Amino acid sequence: KAGVTQTPRYLIKTRGQQVTLSCSPISGHRSVSWYQQTPGQGLQFLFEYFSETQRNKGNFPGRFSGRQFSNSRSEMNVSTLELGDSALYLCASSLGIGLDYEQYFGPGTRLTVT
Amino acid sequence: GQQLNQSPQSMFIQEGEDVSMNCTSSSIFNTWLWYKQDPGEGPVLLIALYKAGELTSNGRLTAQFGITRKDSFLNISASIPSDVGIYFCAGRFMDSNYQLIWGAGTKLIIKP
Repeated sequence: KAGVTQTPRYLIKTRGQQVTLSCSPISGHRSVSWYQQTPGQGLQFLFEYFSETQRNKGNFPGRFSGRQFSNSRSEMNVSTLELGDSALYLCASSLGIGLDYEQYFGPGTRLTVT
Repeated sequence: GQQLNQSPQSMFIQEGEDVSMNCTSSSIFNTWLWYKQDPGEGPVLLIALYKAGELTSNGRLTAQFGITRKDSFLNISASIPSDVGIYFCAGRFMDSNYQLIWGAGTKLIIKP
């Protein structure tokens, strides 16, 4: 079974631009979560989607948004990019929402804002 | 918001040594997960724990769900160079709306 895939793997943008990142979960997984990781830092939770509905949201400004499609694929968008948005953006999928569900991560998208 | 306290922040070890790290919380958790992340990659799930007192092994790795349900431990026996990386704990509890709560990570470094 294929793992979580994220596209693109690497991206360079300039300040003020916007960017869209894509995540395809493991087949059969219906929940997708997004995280931001800056160098040497832990995982900062962005949001979680299940069945096209946002279930949880982290403490990020409104410039960060996401959505999930009926096939469980998800996209996240960052508008008006800032230098501080440079990070590894990780997507994780799980079968569902609940106490017993494990998250499986993709390789991440490395975003560099210049 | 709820946080997990993960320690130590980093560890310098000799090849062959045993390693121990832990996560603690002020809340009772229902699930504990341990992940390892290599540079530039996404975290990989190592061990999942679902019951208080549960002890689970994955090769040289052993993790335990604390009896109080407020902590978890990860031990690595006879460390090897490929154990280098960042280890994260994560957990869920009833009032978190099933959101995974993450520790800040333990960076494992092998002394030359």
